[in-house]
Amino acid sequence: EVQVVESGGGSVEPGGSLTLSCAASGFIFSNAWMSWVRQTPGKGLEWIGRIKSYSAGGTTDYAAPVKGRFTISRDDSKNTLYLQMNSLKTEDTAVYYCTTSPAPGVDYWGQGTLVTVSS
Amino acid sequence: DVVMTQTPLSSPVTLGQPASISCRSSQSLVHTDGNTYLSWLQQRPGQPPRLLIYKISNRFSGVPDRFSGSGAGTDFALKISRVEAEDVAVYYCMQATQFPHTFGQGTKLEIK
Repeated sequence: EVQVVESGGGSVEPGGSLTLSCAASGFIFSNAWMSWVRQTPGKGLEWIGRIKSYSAGGTTDYAAPVKGRFTISRDDSKNTLYLQMNSLKTEDTAVYYCTTSPAPGVDYWGQGTLVTVSS
Repeated sequence: DVVMTQTPLSSPVTLGQPASISCRSSQSLVHTDGNTYLSWLQQRPGQPPRLLIYKISNRFSGVPDRFSGSGAGTDFALKISRVEAEDVAVYYCMQATQFPHTFGQGTKLEIK
């Protein structure tokens, strides 16, 4: 069974940093393209970035609101995806989901982890 | 970015009756590979989104056959043939044709 489990959420002050993790199981992680999506009551679902498998180049792509502040990485030896978030803003407050896509548009979602940015 | 617009934003329906949700994209979702990567997601209260339909009309594993998807180009629809109580949820369309992937605003399905 495909599973992705996010962790690392919490409260942080504006300007601070936080790193989220996503533990994967039930599929060949090293072959997987992985993404992060966030959800806020105000803006709904927002795709924020992805990382390709190393066999596909291992490159990353980011949405404009987070580009330059967030970094996605992966450790295939640990079947784990990461989201490092720097220079956090109040508008980054959201539930963050990890997804895996065995094919375009076919996404398995985790349960999500809540990040609150507030002073 | 491709803008996804759903209608209606709220849909009260009677149990056992059909329901339909529309989704329109600001650009064609036909990929250069010939596929159209339009998906439908269901998010029940307190749960994460889950995939229902991919590539316009393909039901994901375990999805009841009362759910169906249709459309082409820029206009798409999700239909539920007979609404059941467990279908109360917010439904989202999502495009994975163009980068970045984008979502509709969501349609809240509720029981009359």
